[in-house]
Amino acid sequence: AQSVAQPEDQVNVAEGNPLTVKCTYSVSGNPYLFWYVQYPNRGLQFLLKYITGDNLVKGSYGFEAEFNKSQTSFHLKKPSALVSDSALYFCAVRDRGNTPLVFGKGTRLSVIA
Amino acid sequence: DADVTQTPRNRITKTGKRIMLECSQTKGHDRMYWYRQDPGLGLRLIYYSFDVKDINKGEISDGYSVSRQAQAKFSLSLESAIPNQTALYFCATSDPGTSNTQYFGPGTRLTVL
Repeated sequence: AQSVAQPEDQVNVAEGNPLTVKCTYSVSGNPYLFWYVQYPNRGLQFLLKYITGDNLVKGSYGFEAEFNKSQTSFHLKKPSALVSDSALYFCAVRDRGNTPLVFGKGTRLSVIA
Repeated sequence: DADVTQTPRNRITKTGKRIMLECSQTKGHDRMYWYRQDPGLGLRLIYYSFDVKDINKGEISDGYSVSRQAQAKFSLSLESAIPNQTALYFCATSDPGTSNTQYFGPGTRLTVL
């Protein structure tokens, strides 16, 4: 069975500082990995995904994520946080078969000016 | 995302009532999904459909049913609503050609009194 863990319910970071939102996963075989962001009163927006190839994936709004197979992690990063990055972030995984995404419980990011 | 629409956006109902939530998409995707979001629990899959003739139960299908009326339409019904079905409900679509990246509607906030 597939699963995702986001170990932090809340991450606080000062504006201009680097941010990291953590994600670890469990899946049979090679994974497809995704990050989504949810702003207040909005649906989930796709940020980036890892399919194959380079372990560092770049996505929307300056975000990137690093796939680490040995640690089964896919942490979301940004070099310099903005107040507007404050939102709820979800990591998701699926295997290479015909299965829907499985989501983590979400991490609330708060960027403080 | 305007490509995936949900109606109604908000609904308040009473225990025991039958409720239908509707989802329409113009993305041309074959695959559609219904999730519910509860604080601290992330997104949980209720039902999914890979084409018009295919319906599959997700993690939490009890108390729900679905209908795939056409490629573009996927409805979720609560047969007899109960208060613990109060949640935010999201519809999503995906295309297997894009590694099943899922695109979400804006959500329906349902309150069962």
